[in-house]
Amino acid sequence: NAGVTQTPKFRILKIGQSMTLQCTQDMNHNYMYWYRQDPGMGLKLIYYSVGAGITDKGEVPNGYNVSRSTTEDFPLRLELAAPSQTSVYFCASSPGQYNEQFFGPGTRLTVL
Amino acid sequence: KQEVTQIPAALSVPEGENLVLNCSFTDSAIYNLQWFRQDPGKGLTSLLLIQSSQREQTSGRLNASLDKSSGRSTLYIAASQPGDSATYLCAASNYGGSQGNLIFGKGTKLSVKP
Repeated sequence: NAGVTQTPKFRILKIGQSMTLQCTQDMNHNYMYWYRQDPGMGLKLIYYSVGAGITDKGEVPNGYNVSRSTTEDFPLRLELAAPSQTSVYFCASSPGQYNEQFFGPGTRLTVL
Repeated sequence: KQEVTQIPAALSVPEGENLVLNCSFTDSAIYNLQWFRQDPGKGLTSLLLIQSSQREQTSGRLNASLDKSSGRSTLYIAASQPGDSATYLCAASNYGGSQGNLIFGKGTKLSVKP
C-alpha cells in the first residue's frame, strides 16, 4: 500500500493564481483531512471529510475549497492565491473519527 | 478551546541518554493523544496513539504516558540514537471536535549528538 500520497511536492504560485493540491489514499479510509503547517507552528485544520460527498470546514478554511467525489481522493483548491497561503500542506486519512491519522508527505507551497 | 503546548521547543542530548519530551493540554476531555515524528522537509510519522482510557503505550524504545487529570503526556525515549534526531509533535483529539480533528503542539526539536 502506498498510504497517503500528495502531489505536487513543491509549487510556486503568483498572487491571484489558482491551483489544486491532490491527495489520494489507498487504505479505504472514510475520514480525510487537510492541514497547513506554518514555520514554527503546529498544524491547523483547513477542511475535513467523513466520506464521499461530505465535507466540512475546519479552523482555517478561508481561501480554500474541497470536494470528495470518491473515497480515495480529497483535492484542495486554492482559487486566488495570496502570500498568506504560503505554507506546507498535509493531507491525512483515518479509518474512523477517533482513530490514528496517517499523513502524506506534504506539499510545500510558496505564493509570491 | 483546546490548546496543546510542548516544552522545551528544542533539546540537545548526547547519544545513549534517556530522555523525556513533554506535552500539556488545557482541556482534559480528550478522546486520544497521538505522538508524531517529523523529519526535516518530510511528512508526519505516527509513533504512538494513547486512548483516553489508557495510561501508557509502548513501542520499542518509546513509551508514551497520559495523565488526563493533570493535562499531561510524556514521550520517553530510551537509549537515544542520532537517528532519533527529528521534531516530535503531540496532538490531542477532543470529544465534540471537528470529527476527530487533531489539535497540535508546536513540537520539540530533538538533536542527539554522537
